[in-house]
Amino acid sequence: TQLLEQSPQFLSIQEGENLTVYCNSSSVFSSLQWYRQEPGEGPVLLVTVVTGGEVKKLKRLTFQFGDARKDSSLHITAAQPGDTGLYLCAGDRTNAGKSTFGDGTTLTVKP
Amino acid sequence: DVKVTQSSRYLVKRTGEKVFLECVQDMDHENMFWYRQDPGLGLRLIYFSYDVKMKEKGDIPEGYSVSREKKERFSLILESASTNQTSMYLCASSSAGLAGTGELFFGEGSRLTVL
Repeated sequence: TQLLEQSPQFLSIQEGENLTVYCNSSSVFSSLQWYRQEPGEGPVLLVTVVTGGEVKKLKRLTFQFGDARKDSSLHITAAQPGDTGLYLCAGDRTNAGKSTFGDGTTLTVKP
Repeated sequence: DVKVTQSSRYLVKRTGEKVFLECVQDMDHENMFWYRQDPGLGLRLIYFSYDVKMKEKGDIPEGYSVSREKKERFSLILESASTNQTSMYLCASSSAGLAGTGELFFGEGSRLTVL
């Protein structure tokens, strides 16, 4: 049973479009991270959300943590080709970095 | 700039060979982790360590062992490599001091092919 379900699995859009990626679970997490990974590289941390209902913005990226701390979303406004990559959510129930990862969303932004 | 360095980006080994994957971090982090990443299966935790000489099994420890003799170094060992261990291996570290965050810092990955 996958602890964290990410959707969609694949997303291909045109430059300038908006998109939302979802990360859902039946478990409560102490914190949730979003990472971005490029081919052949390790994941790079984008953001951590800790408080239920929290919203964080990183330029054109908006991250939201659900009120019950079981789900999260990543919204990208006016996507650019440089946003192309694998987006991973990860939940930590112990605050010790022993995270469970979703399967990821592969985003392709076409110029 | 903080850094997690994995010793080899690409390795090709034969079935039955012993394989060492080294990972070094310069952030003085207490916690270190080894994951493997496979298409359709995501990142799966192999082993982790919260302190020097301590190790704990993750979700898929079979066929692997680890060593943490120094705080900054965490090694993954495949005693007898098999073809189903062909994968991307990712080392990560985190600070126990970053309470409540669980943030992981990853190396660039080691792509292992076992023939």
